[in-house]
Amino acid sequence: RKEVEQDPGPFNVPEGATVAFNCTYSNSASQSFFWYRQDCRKEPKLLMSVYSSGNEDGRFTAQLNRASQYISLLIRDSKLSDSATYLCVVNMNRDDKIIFGKGTRLHILP
Amino acid sequence: GAGVSQSPSNKVTEKGKDVELRCDPISGHTALYWYRQSLGQGLEFLIYFQGNSAPDKSGLPSDRFSAERTGGSVSTLTIQRTQQEDSAVYLCASSFAILGDNEQFFGPGTRLTVL
Repeated sequence: RKEVEQDPGPFNVPEGATVAFNCTYSNSASQSFFWYRQDCRKEPKLLMSVYSSGNEDGRFTAQLNRASQYISLLIRDSKLSDSATYLCVVNMNRDDKIIFGKGTRLHILP
Repeated sequence: GAGVSQSPSNKVTEKGKDVELRCDPISGHTALYWYRQSLGQGLEFLIYFQGNSAPDKSGLPSDRFSAERTGGSVSTLTIQRTQQEDSAVYLCASSFAILGDNEQFFGPGTRLTVL
């Protein structure tokens, strides 16, 4: 099993729809989880951290499922500007290793 | 305030040459990371520094790659005897600390092309 795994997509979603994607991780001892966003030919930027209790920031909701070892990102009322690659990031807490997933590409269609 | 800066922004070199990439982290950030991203691919972790120390060098692709950080600030990534497969965008990031819920701030990257 890969350390961090994401569906590469692309997810083609009409504007205004709700979209969700998951990221699985292999190390059950992992403690810190994040979603980063990367626009084409740009550097990644933090979208949100993922807390055990789940967290919400506007249209974005992130959740952690420790039992099944995955995190999720839900985007409601999607906008054209949400089109990007979403990177799942896990701090393995083993030698402080931080692993980026390969990303999920999202295309919001007008 | 100033973000993470990297230089050069673009580097074209011939196969077999050595290159040196530079990263200036955000002031006060103790952790610094190097990643590599090939076209259309995810980020490949190379190495990180906590202060001037690099606890884990296993992510470096080969012994042609080395990195150092001095004064807890600037870091350089050196690639010796470059090969065409080294062509990628090299991204540097810094964070306040390595552990816990610390956001990584990325620089704009250095696009390396090996001819």
